[in-house]
Amino acid sequence: EVQLLESGGGLVQPGGSLRLSCAASGFTFNNYAMSWVRQAPGKGLECVSLISGDGGTTHYADSVKGRFTISRDNSKNTLYLEMNSPRVEDTAIYYCATRPLVTIFGSGGNRFDPWGQGTLVTVSS
Amino acid sequence: QSVLTQPPSVSGAPGQRVTISCAGSNSNIGARYDVHWYQQLPGTAPKLLIFGNTNRPSGVPDRFSGSKSGTSASLAITGLQAEDEGDYYCQSYDSSLSDRVVFGGGTKLTVL
Repeated sequence: EVQLLESGGGLVQPGGSLRLSCAASGFTFNNYAMSWVRQAPGKGLECVSLISGDGGTTHYADSVKGRFTISRDNSKNTLYLEMNSPRVEDTAIYYCATRPLVTIFGSGGNRFDPWGQGTLVTVSS
Repeated sequence: QSVLTQPPSVSGAPGQRVTISCAGSNSNIGARYDVHWYQQLPGTAPKLLIFGNTNRPSGVPDRFSGSKSGTSASLAITGLQAEDEGDYYCQSYDSSLSDRVVFGGGTKLTVL
């Protein structure tokens, strides 16, 4: 059974830093691109970042570009999101989700399935 | 303002049929990029409901169906059940935006 378990969320001050983790199991981790998708309180979904199966290609939403860094450790089956200089508007539940291809984009590869249970990040002073 | 436009809410009585629309443009749905639908029940993570416009993942009841035409897509739910109440999101790819991945704003389904 595929499982994704996020951790690392919590309260962080604006301008601080936080690292989220997503532990994956039940599938061959390095065969699939991965993603972070967030949901602000009472709001919709936003794809924050994507990373290819080998970690060599990344993609960021404009809203986080230059502040967040996505990475993965395929030896540990773990996905990360380093959040630097977070802003109040980054407050959200952060979900990790699997992509169906090893590349971040491609024909038949632009969906998110499955999703983890999410971890809440609150940016506040 | 989401790139894909969904109605904020829809409702229906148990057993009825409801549809949720997802309006896009020529740079996303109209450019033949696939549309996917997600169901988010209260307090839970989103779950893939329909992929590739019309396909149901294993375990999704055939009460749920997707369609696509031109620059729009739709999700239909027949035989509405109380446990269907929640939020539904469409998602696609947009070649004109640097973000590339686009979601609809979500539709809250209420079962009366």
